[in-house]
Order: sequence, then C-alpha cells, then structure tokens
Amino acid sequence: RKEVEQDPGPFNVPEGATVAFNCTYSNSASQSFFWYRQDCRKEPKLLMSVYSSGNEDGRFTAQLNRASQYISLLIRDSKLSDSATYLCVVPSWSNSGYSTLTFGKGTMLLVSP
Amino acid sequence: DADVTQTPRNRITKTGKRIMLECSQTKGHDRMYWYRQDPGLGLRLIYYSFDVKDINKGEISDGYSVSRQAQAKFSLSLESAIPNQTALYFCATSVQGVTEQFFGPGTRLTVL
Repeated sequence: RKEVEQDPGPFNVPEGATVAFNCTYSNSASQSFFWYRQDCRKEPKLLMSVYSSGNEDGRFTAQLNRASQYISLLIRDSKLSDSATYLCVVPSWSNSGYSTLTFGKGTMLLVSP
Repeated sequence: DADVTQTPRNRITKTGKRIMLECSQTKGHDRMYWYRQDPGLGLRLIYYSFDVKDINKGEISDGYSVSRQAQAKFSLSLESAIPNQTALYFCATSVQGVTEQFFGPGTRLTVL
C-alpha cells in the first residue's frame, strides 16, 4: 500500500449534494491527520485536522477508521465555492520518530449549478 | 498578519542557469520546508529544516540545495537548472510536532 492514496476524481456533483472522499494510509503509527484544500494554482490551506474521535466543522465532517487505515471527508450541502482539490495528509515517521507530513495527490471536486 | 512569503512569484530561466528561490516567514516557526508540485504527482518534499543550520533531505533532493541562515529565511537553489525542474514550488512552515504546515503562495518556475 502506498503511503497515502486518494481517488483523483474528479467528482462532479450538483449544488446541494453530499459528497464523500476517502483516503487510505499505510503507516499505522499515525494518530493525527489533516485534510487540506487547494484551489487551482494556489497554495494548500488547512481545512480540518482529524483525530481519533473525528471532527466536524459546519458542513464538513472528517472521520478516522484506524482499523482499516482510512480517513474520510464528508461535505454536505455542496456550494460552488467548494470546487477545489482536497489533499489527504498523514505524518511520516523515521527511525527517530516523526519527521514531516506526506501529502496525497488530491481528489478534485467540481460543484455545478 | 504573520505570513509566509516567496520570491520571485514567477521565473523563466534557461537550462544551466543557477536559480535561487527565497522564502521568508514572520510566524516565528522553527520548521521550514520546500516542496515542488507537478500535475499528477502531487506535492513532493525537497528539503526541510527543523532549526537554523539543520538541513534534511526530502523525497527528491537531487539537483537542489538549501540554506537556512536565519530562523525566518529558507532558500532553495538550483545549481544548474534543467527543464524537468519546471514546476510550482512551495515553501511551508510549522511549529514542532505533528501539526499543520502553513504554505507560501508559491513560485512558478519554468526552465527552457
């Protein structure tokens, strides 16, 4: 299994739809994760952190399934402004402990009127 | 606002030229990172630094070098640019621990 895997999409949904993305990771030592959002040709920005209990922020819900080693992002009531690429991010570990973050290649979401 | 800035924002250069990309931050973070992003390949880590004078290779360090002379500055050099180094380059910063990274606006580099 690759370190971080995401379906590249694109996911095409109408406004108001609910859409979910999954991300699988290989390093079971990871305990916290992140979802970033990246608009076209812009820098990635943190959307949500994901801990063992999951996280909800308005229309966005992130959950962690540690047994199956995947993280999900659920977006309810999609807006046109949600169109972006969503990056799944997991910590990387070396023999001396945590080193840095590994970014997935991203899932593209396109929300249409 | 505390920020991460990158200069230049766009650069076109020729094969064989030496190029330096600069990153500055006012966040007071100890850790700084350089990534490149290519279509279909996502963000790949080039080098990172946990403190002044600390340098660590990332996934794709060949052909690049870095310098961290001050906490707030982290520069990336391409000693002899080649066309496959054409990419979008991002600098990022963070505090210690498993925590989010804050990205600069990116530098679009084209090597002809």
